[in-house]
Amino acid sequence: DTEVTQTPKHLVMGMTNKKSLKCEQHMGHRAMYWYKQKAKKPPELMFVYSYEKLSINESVPSRFSPECPNSSLLNLHLHALQPEDSALYLCASSQRGANEQFFGPGTRLTVL
Amino acid sequence: AQSVTQPDIHITVSEGASLELRCNYSYGATPYLFWYVQSPGQGLQLLLKYFSGDTLVQGIKGFEAEFKRSQSSFNLRKPSVHWSDAAEYFCAVGAPGGSYIPTFGRGTSLIVHP
Repeated sequence: DTEVTQTPKHLVMGMTNKKSLKCEQHMGHRAMYWYKQKAKKPPELMFVYSYEKLSINESVPSRFSPECPNSSLLNLHLHALQPEDSALYLCASSQRGANEQFFGPGTRLTVL
Repeated sequence: AQSVTQPDIHITVSEGASLELRCNYSYGATPYLFWYVQSPGQGLQLLLKYFSGDTLVQGIKGFEAEFKRSQSSFNLRKPSVHWSDAAEYFCAVGAPGGSYIPTFGRGTSLIVHP
């Protein structure tokens, strides 16, 4: 299985809502990533988990809260988001070390 | 730290014509180099990668890229473009060893005319 899955595909939420994005991979990768991508821009790194531990937080606001329950799952909990947080959220995984990343299809998030 | 430049924001080609997308990188040694493609509303798909060895790399969907150390370039080519190749293309550079956090270029949007 060489696939990264993400749910939901689309999400619309209000600024007072709490929601979660989910990502799953079964490739045995021990590094997992969250990216935010605006239209016609490259992905911006948000968080990196290595061996289920948060290793990088790119100064992301606390309204985004990542979680890695096990080596196959990665969540992104959302609370009190702003309209400017509307974007495509991509999950990726890779082997530990310098290898290519495998990306999921993304969750299109709209904050009203 | 590594960096990558994609000088072309948009490229327009006719279907059946050849294609070259430019990518230049900055890194003190030989980096890891990647090309990804992204169709609208989709995730990124790896087209090809260069780690070491043969400097001409073959990828999926008929794409190839050539690593030129003297020019710090890793340009993507395809001999005959299909309408389905219309997408955003990202070049990325990674530093060998340690944790792998690639740096992405700003992307080149490919438009294909019939």
